[in-house]
Amino acid sequence: DGGITQSPKYLFRKEGQNVTLSCEQNLNHDAMYWYRQDPGQGLRLIYYSQIVNDFQKGDIAEGYSVSREKKESFPLTVTSAQKNPTAFYLCASSIGYRSGELFFGEGSRLTVL
Amino acid sequence: SQQGEEDPQALSIQEGENATMNCSYKTSINNLQWYRQNSGRGLVHLILIRSNEREKHSGRLRVTLDTSKKSSSLLITASRAADTASYFCATEAGTASKLTFGTGTRLQVTL
Repeated sequence: DGGITQSPKYLFRKEGQNVTLSCEQNLNHDAMYWYRQDPGQGLRLIYYSQIVNDFQKGDIAEGYSVSREKKESFPLTVTSAQKNPTAFYLCASSIGYRSGELFFGEGSRLTVL
Repeated sequence: SQQGEEDPQALSIQEGENATMNCSYKTSINNLQWYRQNSGRGLVHLILIRSNEREKHSGRLRVTLDTSKKSSSLLITASRAADTASYFCATEAGTASKLTFGTGTRLQVTL
């Protein structure tokens, strides 16, 4: 089955540590996205990539970094510079940028201890 | 910044009743989409309506769009317990066309 796989589902981090969240898709989609969701709130865009080897900052990129070396993969690193990293992180993809429907993974819940 | 704001924030109904959720937005849009999220899970796309469309149907879902009022509504008819979830509207606007999500409506359908 085609889809988006995020790992790990749950992750705990000590303050000052970087952590990388994995996102892999086998839908052959060009565009990929990372969103952050806080309790009771909507999704906020962190980074997005329209094509391999290209990515742009979203609305809340500070303290995060990404790479897009392969079409299938779009990992997100939460750095120690992110002041409030505890959140639910969602990866999504679409056929192309501005092509409408987003397909989401099941999310990764990061807790900073 | 939040483009869409859903209303109500929470809605509790009995199985078989209809559920109506509203979404208001601030700027002109290219399209508006509705998504569902079960607790602790990813979002699932429900329906997309373009700015030149006024109404769309998909199964038990009916979406309307009023661009003059900058608002949309999602109607779920004959609700089921399995419809219990949070529902988000998302708007695509301008040339950058980033998809911006609202804060969601939590729907509880009881037996």
